[in-house]
Amino acid sequence: EDQVTQSPEALRLQEGESSSLNCSYTVSGLRGLFWYRQDPGKGPEFLFTLYSAGEEKEKERLKATLTKKESFLHITAPKPEDSATYLCAAKKPGNQFYFGTGTSLTVIP
Amino acid sequence: DAGVTQSPTHLIKTRGQQVTLRCSPKSGHDTVSWYQQALGQGPQFIFQYYEEEERQRGNFPDRFSGHQFPNYSSELNVNALLLGDSALYLCASSLDRDRGRGYTFGSGTRLTVV
Repeated sequence: EDQVTQSPEALRLQEGESSSLNCSYTVSGLRGLFWYRQDPGKGPEFLFTLYSAGEEKEKERLKATLTKKESFLHITAPKPEDSATYLCAAKKPGNQFYFGTGTSLTVIP
Repeated sequence: DAGVTQSPTHLIKTRGQQVTLRCSPKSGHDTVSWYQQALGQGPQFIFQYYEEEERQRGNFPDRFSGHQFPNYSSELNVNALLLGDSALYLCASSLDRDRGRGYTFGSGTRLTVV
């Protein structure tokens, strides 16, 4: 069964305290692993797409990496404005994304 | 450049009623997908429309139906509403030939069924 699992469910960090979010997936025929950021009351905002194991993408304080079974979203020296829910989604052949339940990140000043 | 626009933003309906949600895709996008997001959960795929036809459907009952118009805008209809249909309904648009970019999501319609 295709499944995407994110951990932890919630994460509280002090400003400047780096950490990583995990996304484990069991999806046959993966056609991309996507990361989104979602603010309360808003729709998800696209961050990254990763296609193959070993691939890395960076944007400001965020870096996403991919292995054959997991993806990590590394947050370096986070700021309060990085507080949000981070969703990962696996795409199979076709048009459907399989989303995880997200990690709710709170960065305390 | 306007992104994805959804209306209404909030809606309260009574169990058994019918509801129509609307979505205007981002300019230049030709594909519209609908997702249901229950509180504390990730979005669940309902269906996708391309060239005015339903191209793929997730695991949702026939009470959920949709439509895409020639200008690429879309509607989601839900009949015989159940309490469990209460959720945030997200519309996402994309360009069919550029699927690797990820989708552009709207802010959603918050549906409450009482």
